[in-house]
Amino acid sequence: KQEVTQIPAALSVPEGENLVLNCSFTDSAIYNLQWFRQDPGKGLTSLLLIQSSQREQTSGRLNASLDKSSGRSTLYIAASQPGDSATYLCAVKSNAGNMLTFGGGTRLMVKP
Amino acid sequence: SQTIHQWPATLVQPVGSPLSLECTVEGTSNPNLYWYRQAAGRGLQLLFYSVGIGQISSEVPQNLSASRPQDRQFILSSKKLLLSDSGFYLCAWSFSGRMGSGTDTQYFGPGTRLTVL
Repeated sequence: KQEVTQIPAALSVPEGENLVLNCSFTDSAIYNLQWFRQDPGKGLTSLLLIQSSQREQTSGRLNASLDKSSGRSTLYIAASQPGDSATYLCAVKSNAGNMLTFGGGTRLMVKP
Repeated sequence: SQTIHQWPATLVQPVGSPLSLECTVEGTSNPNLYWYRQAAGRGLQLLFYSVGIGQISSEVPQNLSASRPQDRQFILSSKKLLLSDSGFYLCAWSFSGRMGSGTDTQYFGPGTRLTVL
């Protein structure tokens, strides 16, 4: 059974800092890994999707990497802004089925 | 472009009452549809998914059921709510035909906050 863990659970940084969010998964047989953003009381917004054959994806100030063999992904946020404050979720789609397995999320606060 | 709608946005129901949450998708045909629940202090859990009208797969045993009466309509129901059914319910969709691939991003609706008292 796939398990996804995100560390840290919460993070507070001053504006302008570069930061890294971590995601680990137990079963390396995956189709893809996605990073989502969730604002309080809202739905999820997809940020980046990395296919199992890819090593990284970039979108603006966001860069996500995938190391399938070690079961890890990182989300790098450059020059953080207060508007980046949200919960960031990673989710893994396993080869064995159609479901996404989500991590518990990292609650990020960027202070002005 | 595609949009996904959920209603109601919030709902407070007594224990033992019935439930019906609705999700609709616009701008695409034959989408894959999903219901998730996000309980306080817990991660997102997939409840049901559907690849077509009348085709529902359940991921976990529970007090809830799902139906897909139309191509772009997905309904989550319960005959008698339990306290443990409280949570944030999210509907999502993805393009059909990609469920077995690595490119099927899921797009989420705004969610329904359900409180069972």
